[in-house]
Amino acid sequence: DGGITQSPKYLFRKEGQNVTLSCEQNLNHDAMYWYRQDPGQGLRLIYYSQIVNDFQKGDIAEGYSVSREKKESFPLTVTSAQKNPTAFYLCASSISYFTSTDTQYFGPGTRLTVL
Amino acid sequence: QQQVKQSPQSLIVQKGGISIINCAYENTAFDYFPWYQQFPGKGPALLIAIRPDVSEKKEGRFTISFNKSAKQFSLHIMDSQPGDSATYFCAARVSGTYKYIFGTGTRLKVLA
Repeated sequence: DGGITQSPKYLFRKEGQNVTLSCEQNLNHDAMYWYRQDPGQGLRLIYYSQIVNDFQKGDIAEGYSVSREKKESFPLTVTSAQKNPTAFYLCASSISYFTSTDTQYFGPGTRLTVL
Repeated sequence: QQQVKQSPQSLIVQKGGISIINCAYENTAFDYFPWYQQFPGKGPALLIAIRPDVSEKKEGRFTISFNKSAKQFSLHIMDSQPGDSATYFCAARVSGTYKYIFGTGTRLKVLA
C-alpha cells in the first residue's frame, strides 16, 4: 500500500518536554509538509521541504523543528518553546515542489495533548 | 494579508438535497483551488480541484464553480448522502509558491 503514515496517533506530553512526531511516505514524493489544525480553523503551515536536506519555515514555525535526512521521512519536533502545542498535526506530501496541478496527500494525523 | 473566507461554518441538508459551500479570496495571485474532505480523526483527502482558467469542473456528484471576476469559488454536492457528512475545506495556492491558504472549514451533516 502506498501512502503516508504518521505515528503515534495520540501523544501526550508533559509541559517542558520535547516530543517528536513521525511522518513517513512511500509515494516517492519530493515535497513534504507539516500542518497544524485547531478547532474552527483551517490548516496552518509549520514547515515544508522541497528536497532532502532542505526545509523552509512556514507561517507558524516558532517552537517547532524538522529534519529531512531521507526522502521518505520528515519528522517534526515540538519543543518546549511552543507555547500552545495541543493540536492535531498533519503531514502531507506532493510529487514536486509545485506544478500546475500539484496535489497534496495527507497522512492520518497525530493528536498531541499537553498535560 | 492573504485570506480565504469560507462559509457557512456548518450546514445541515436533507438526503438527496444540494449542499453548497462558498469561498472567497482577496488576493488575485492564486493559481490552483482544491477542495478537501475530512472525516473526524482523519487527514483531509483531495476531493476536486480547479484552475482559474476554468469556470466549472464536475466530478460525479461534486462540482466546483469558479468566478474569477468576483474572486469566489464554490463546491456543490448534488444528491447529498449521509456518507457525505464531513468537514470540507477550500484552499488556494499562492502563485509560484508551495503555499496553500486554507479556509476555516464547513461541517456538513446530511440527514437520512
